[in-house]
Amino acid sequence: EAQLLEFGGGLVQPGGSLRLSCAASGFTFRNYAMGWVRQAPGQGLEWVSGIDGSGVTTFYADSVKGRFTISRDNSKNTVYLQMDSLRAEDTAVYYCVKDYDSWNVGLIIYWGQGTLVTVSS
Amino acid sequence: NFMLTQPHSVSESPGKTVTISCTRSSGRIASNYVQWYQQRPGSAPTTVIYRDDQRPSGVPDRFSGSIDSSSNSASLTISGLKTEDEADYYCQSYDSSGVFGGGTKLTVL
Repeated sequence: EAQLLEFGGGLVQPGGSLRLSCAASGFTFRNYAMGWVRQAPGQGLEWVSGIDGSGVTTFYADSVKGRFTISRDNSKNTVYLQMDSLRAEDTAVYYCVKDYDSWNVGLIIYWGQGTLVTVSS
Repeated sequence: NFMLTQPHSVSESPGKTVTISCTRSSGRIASNYVQWYQQRPGSAPTTVIYRDDQRPSGVPDRFSGSIDSSSNSASLTISGLKTEDEADYYCQSYDSSGVFGGGTKLTVL
């Protein structure tokens, strides 16, 4: 059974940085693309970023392009989201997600429980 | 990129069948697989349909998915409605980035 555990959420000031981590277990990590989806308070789901199984190819939503960086360490079964130049509108629960296979980034199969990021002064 | 449009809300009685639509704004619905997610209040989403019509293990066969090229839309059908099915449902597809529909609130009353 797959498990995704997110870490690193919290309160950060506008303009600040935060790094989210997602520790995966229960499946062969390198064989699956991974990603992040967020949900602002009372709002719908927004796809944020994805990375293929090898870690070579990455994708970003326009709203975070140039500010967020996704990466993965297949030796540690962990995917990261480095978030810089944070804005109030980045406040959301961030979910780590597992995709269907190694290359179909965005074909989400499994979700973590989420971690809350609050951007406020 | 394209958009996915869902009805804001639907309601139906227990035991009945409900269908939630998801219309793609541009490009063919069949170009990229469609997924459906259920989110109960206060909980993380879970996948109920992937690759248009596939059910993950543990999802009851009361849930089914389909696509219709003539209307360029996807549908989630839930039969034999139970009160526990009351939740928000999101359709989703992808094309170099993920795209979610706005979500549909299902009320079972």
